[in-house]
Amino acid sequence: AQSVTQPDIHITVSEGASLELRCNYSYGATPYLFWYVQSPGQGLQLLLKYFSGDTLVQGIKGFEAEFKRSQSSFNLRKPSVHWSDAAEYFCAVGARGGGNKLTFGTGTQLKVEL
Amino acid sequence: ETGVTQTPRHLVMGMTNKKSLKCEQHLGHNAMYWYKQSAKKPLELMFVYNFKEQTENNSVPSRFSPECPNSSHLFLHLHTLQPEDSALYLCASSQWRGGAPGELFFGEGSRLTVL
Repeated sequence: AQSVTQPDIHITVSEGASLELRCNYSYGATPYLFWYVQSPGQGLQLLLKYFSGDTLVQGIKGFEAEFKRSQSSFNLRKPSVHWSDAAEYFCAVGARGGGNKLTFGTGTQLKVEL
Repeated sequence: ETGVTQTPRHLVMGMTNKKSLKCEQHLGHNAMYWYKQSAKKPLELMFVYNFKEQTENNSVPSRFSPECPNSSHLFLHLHTLQPEDSALYLCASSQWRGGAPGELFFGEGSRLTVL
């Protein structure tokens, strides 16, 4: 069965600093990987996804993520964080042949200090 | 109306009450989902409907009863709930074409409190 681990429950960064949120997955075949963001009182919104091809994917709001098969990781990055990026971030994995189900991580809560 | 709309946004109910959560999607998608979001736990997939047919029931207790009358509407009927069922219930939709899972579009959720 596929699984997703987000090792960091909380992360605090200063506005303007760079950000990296970690995500590790467990799945035998090539996974389909997603990052979602959830602002307080809101549903989840897709930031970016990786299906195949270029292992560095660009998303909305200036985010990018890199798929590293050797490390089973799909870390989310942003070069300069804005105060409006404070939210909870979820990594998710799906699989071909696994239907349209996604398995989510427990999330990382990002706090941005001004 | 655009996207995925959930009502009510907040619900407080006693353990003996019967209530329903409603979800409507205006995206023309063919798949709809219920997820449960509890503090410090991963999102838990509860039910999946593809083309109005239930294709996934993730061992959900029978006190949760889903209904999908058409591809645009999804309900979650609640009865005899327990306090541990208090959570944020998220509805989502996607366009399912087989193969790779599609992007999920989420509603804002229904915050349920069971007293």
